[in-house]
Amino acid sequence: DAGITQSPRHKVTETGTPVTLRCHQTENHRYMYWYRQDPGHGLRLIHYSYGVKDTDKGEVSDGYSVSRSKTEDFLLTLESATSSQTSVYFCAISSNPNANEKLFFGSGTQLSVL
Amino acid sequence: AQKVTQAQTEISVVEKEDVTLDCVYETRDTTYYLFWYKQPPSGELVFLIRRNSFDEQNEISGRYSWNFQKSTSSFNFTITASQVVDSAVYFCALSTPWAGNNRKLIWGLGTSLAVNP
Repeated sequence: DAGITQSPRHKVTETGTPVTLRCHQTENHRYMYWYRQDPGHGLRLIHYSYGVKDTDKGEVSDGYSVSRSKTEDFLLTLESATSSQTSVYFCAISSNPNANEKLFFGSGTQLSVL
Repeated sequence: AQKVTQAQTEISVVEKEDVTLDCVYETRDTTYYLFWYKQPPSGELVFLIRRNSFDEQNEISGRYSWNFQKSTSSFNFTITASQVVDSAVYFCALSTPWAGNNRKLIWGLGTSLAVNP
């Protein structure tokens, strides 16, 4: 199994509060991704990183920011959580960005915004 | 437009039955890749297989087999002699080359498979 740890696994927070989710990998992979999974929408890419301090937006990036200060850590921050951000968040990694490269996923973080 | 359709939202079978999960894709690209991922109840998605657009050879891995047909834009997944441990949500995904550091992965909505004893 790929060494990907997401923390926390579960979190309940209130609307308007900032929330940070952490993804930690031990595979030394350059590429890291944050997805959210929602019924009826499948998986949607929030942000991705192609190296330390190199990040870019995915398809649903509004309300989210990311940071990557070390190869192994990729943080996702909800600047001011809203109920629409209640979701399951997955971190994924890959060794290269090629279209044929498979992704390795973490176990997910269940976030509830009340 | 690029799209992946998994028309079966939920499937329920009895153990030892064979089951096929359908995946239909749309793309104008001539080079693309198709994937299947499994999401068991524990939550993490696990890679099962990838296939490139130039290789229509079917693949078998134990009880799992995949049928790729470009003529019908389908990449179907069959589980033979299903087991309770096969219960999961299965996702089909399409990936096409994209300039720069990103690559675009288009996901189907998944098929939830329940295998009952």
